[in-house]
Amino acid sequence: QKEVEQNSGPLSVPEGAIASLNCTYSDRGSQSFFWYRQYSGKSPELIMFIYSNGDKEDGRFTAQLNKASQYVSLLIRDSQPSDSATYLCAVNGGSNYKLTFGKGTLLTVNP
Amino acid sequence: EPEVTQTPSHQVTQMGQEVILRCVPISNHLYFYWYRQILGQKVEFLVSFYNNEISEKSEIFDDQFSVERPDGSNFTLKIRSTKLEDSAMYFCASTVTGGQTQYFGPGTRLLVL
Repeated sequence: QKEVEQNSGPLSVPEGAIASLNCTYSDRGSQSFFWYRQYSGKSPELIMFIYSNGDKEDGRFTAQLNKASQYVSLLIRDSQPSDSATYLCAVNGGSNYKLTFGKGTLLTVNP
Repeated sequence: EPEVTQTPSHQVTQMGQEVILRCVPISNHLYFYWYRQILGQKVEFLVSFYNNEISEKSEIFDDQFSVERPDGSNFTLKIRSTKLEDSAMYFCASTVTGGQTQYFGPGTRLLVL
């Protein structure tokens, strides 16, 4: 059974701070790693993806991947109240590319 | 920007009734997926579809479920005889090629009474 684990939170940070979200996965064959944001009652919205070990930056967001440790993280710099949402880590790597999701981490950014 | 669309946004049905959830994937995408999310739980894979056939399905996707691409644009999920536990948000997703980013539709909230 392929598992993706996330700390469910809630994670609370003040506006302007760095929010750090973590994810571990069980399947060493996983190839692609995604971070989605989900507002309550809405669908998952892609933030960024990462395929290779190391860091990938996109604006205020940085994804970090360590395949040896089977660990993915997302850093949000200069957090804004509008970043308050559930952040979903998703992994794929099977032959049919289905996504396996974690339960998500609820982030609250306090003004 | 192209997006995945889904209809209806909400559906209320009686237990035992059939429902059809509709999706229009992004036009040049080739891989299509259905996921569901029971309230308060994680997003779960149901089925993937490529080249007009199912490529993978989960254990949730039993004989009560079926998918179809009846024309060049629509992708449907049918639940033949709904159960109370089918109440969930159902998301359609599509992607150009298998390993790339999946883009999600807004979802259909299904409530089975």
